[in-house]
Amino acid sequence: DQQVKQNSPSLSVQEGRISILNCDYTNSMFDYFLWYKKYPAEGPTFLISISSIKDKNEDGRFTVFLNKSAKHLSLHIVPSQPGDSAVYFCAASDPGAGSYQLTFGKGTKLSVIP
Amino acid sequence: EAQVTQNPRYLITVTGKKLTVTCSQNMNHEYMSWYRQDPGLGLRQIYYSMNVEVTDKGDVPEGYKVSRKEKRNFPLILESPSPNQTSLYFCASSFIGNLGEQYFGPGTRLTVT
Repeated sequence: DQQVKQNSPSLSVQEGRISILNCDYTNSMFDYFLWYKKYPAEGPTFLISISSIKDKNEDGRFTVFLNKSAKHLSLHIVPSQPGDSAVYFCAASDPGAGSYQLTFGKGTKLSVIP
Repeated sequence: EAQVTQNPRYLITVTGKKLTVTCSQNMNHEYMSWYRQDPGLGLRQIYYSMNVEVTDKGDVPEGYKVSRKEKRNFPLILESPSPNQTSLYFCASSFIGNLGEQYFGPGTRLTVT
């Protein structure tokens, strides 16, 4: 059973426009969420996170929104740039349960078209 | 430079021939982990370690072993590799108090024929 779902395998966006990547989760015990970015031939790199006590976290062009009631989070990139083209992974954890695991989604490949 | 290194980066081997993929980090992180990435399946955790001599299974531990004899090293051992272990492997590390923000190595692409 997939606990973190990224239902869009790919997304294409014009440079300068907004990119919205979505993620749904099923485990209501998750209370910490992250986005990682991965370029080809490199390891994933941490991008932004959000705790369940917040509904929004912003870092420059990147904003993550969390809707706990819908078990949904999204990553907004504004404005999108060609260098943002990468695979984006959503991840979640339940630190309160003493779990030391991160559960990842399958990833969404973002292509930003110049 | 803070980093996680993995060796080898590429490996082609045959079924049943024992191999070890090394992982080392220079950030004094307590937590280390191994993941595999497969098409359509994303990143799945194999094993993790919270500190020296403390290891635990992730979601897909079958066919793998790990050890944590030193804080900086966390090797992944395949005692008898099989073709279904052909994958892209990533090692990662972080401080225990900041588990979400893991630093990943560059990956090891393993092919088992």
